[in-house]
Amino acid sequence: QQQVKQSPQSLIVQKGGISIINCAYENTAFDYFPWYQQFPGKGPALLIAIRPDVSEKKEGRFTISFNKSAKQFSLHIMDSQPGDSATYFCAASLYGQNFVFGPGTRLSVLP
Amino acid sequence: DARVTQTPRHKVTEMGQEVTMRCQPILGHNTVFWYRQTMMQGLELLAYFRNRAPLDDSGMPKDRFSAEMPDATLATLKIQPSEPRDSAVYFCASGLYPADTQYFGPGTRLTVL
Repeated sequence: QQQVKQSPQSLIVQKGGISIINCAYENTAFDYFPWYQQFPGKGPALLIAIRPDVSEKKEGRFTISFNKSAKQFSLHIMDSQPGDSATYFCAASLYGQNFVFGPGTRLSVLP
Repeated sequence: DARVTQTPRHKVTEMGQEVTMRCQPILGHNTVFWYRQTMMQGLELLAYFRNRAPLDDSGMPKDRFSAEMPDATLATLKIQPSEPRDSAVYFCASGLYPADTQYFGPGTRLTVL
């Protein structure tokens, strides 16, 4: 029940295209859903996050769509750039603790 | 530019040796998390501290791992004795509860031979 599933495992997108990564969770008590971006040799960095009372959140080229009834959320990267090539992790947490991370999606944006 | 620092950045040791990893959270932050990252298991939460008190260490192998916060500016993760299966990147993250945002350090890459 604590697991967060993430797909796809890897994604290749042309520059300017839309990258979409999906996550699903089981525990309906989770109250915070962040996405992290990780470059090789670096620690994960918060990209964008959402709470279950909001269905969508947009920050620049990054958008989270949240479907509470389906227990799913997704990250959309518009106008994908080669600099976006990284590993992306979704996560879920409860009361600011008990963080559970998805397995990650390796995104490659071709120039 | 406030950031989480971790030392050492790389550690190679032999099986059976003690390993200590250190983390300096962002000044003023009251929560510290320890994570382990491997290709097979991904990011796993090992332990969580708030105001220096351990709130959850259920993800940590109790027989060989220990985590402490001697003071608000230092968190340590110790493995004794180390085993080859402990080879991974260990991340520390800090935050300011009740805010949920975590700030990750650069990690310690541990190799146990």
